Amino acid sequence: EPEVTQTPSHQVTQMGQEVILRCVPISNHLYFYWYRQILGQKVEFLVSFYNNEISEKSEIFDDQFSVERPDGSNFTLKIRSTKLEDSAMYFCASTVGRGTTEAFFGQGTRLTVV
Amino acid sequence: QKEVEQDPGPLSVPEGAIVSLNCTYSNSAFQYFMWYRQYSRKGPELLMYTYSSGNKEDGRFTAQVDKSSKYISLFIRDSQPSDSATYLCAMRGSGGSNYKLTFGKGTLLTVNP
Repeated sequence: EPEVTQTPSHQVTQMGQEVILRCVPISNHLYFYWYRQILGQKVEFLVSFYNNEISEKSEIFDDQFSVERPDGSNFTLKIRSTKLEDSAMYFCASTVGRGTTEAFFGQGTRLTVV
Repeated sequence: QKEVEQDPGPLSVPEGAIVSLNCTYSNSAFQYFMWYRQYSRKGPELLMYTYSSGNKEDGRFTAQVDKSSKYISLFIRDSQPSDSATYLCAMRGSGGSNYKLTFGKGTLLTVNP
């Protein structure tokens, strides 16, 4: 069964360092998303991406964040200068198309900023 | 008022019980309604989705949407210990760039053998 894969599963980084979280969406999917879940809180939307550009972003997704599809398979989230409050589970998701509701999520990357 | 409200539980039931999970929402633009299951430290797994009002059944799971009351439900019949997880409701609008999902906080369910 096709699945969204994320690497690494756990990343520990020092405050102020840059991190890149990686995702491989399902191969025939065209829309890609990043969500995050701070421990004990809701899953929150960060950004959606289609046709090599951001289609929507939340207020959380400030200048510290960027996304990229560097090749035909990977989708990355970069945090330029991590803060303690960036510690969370980050989930990548993908959908086939605009009208599709079935968003498939990866297993997540647990980011710990120390 | 929060956009999506969900009772976080925890909810503990005996095996075989019927479980009812609910969410309310305030944004009348929401058109698509989903239920995800999330095991500890794992990604959300889509269980069911419905469009607009009505019922949808899939095996032991039934999803209901009442748009007039802004209320959605997930029923689990003959619950099993393997159903123990956090259940997240999620919803979104349609059209334009309205593809982001807005989640409830999740209800932690434990089914006891």
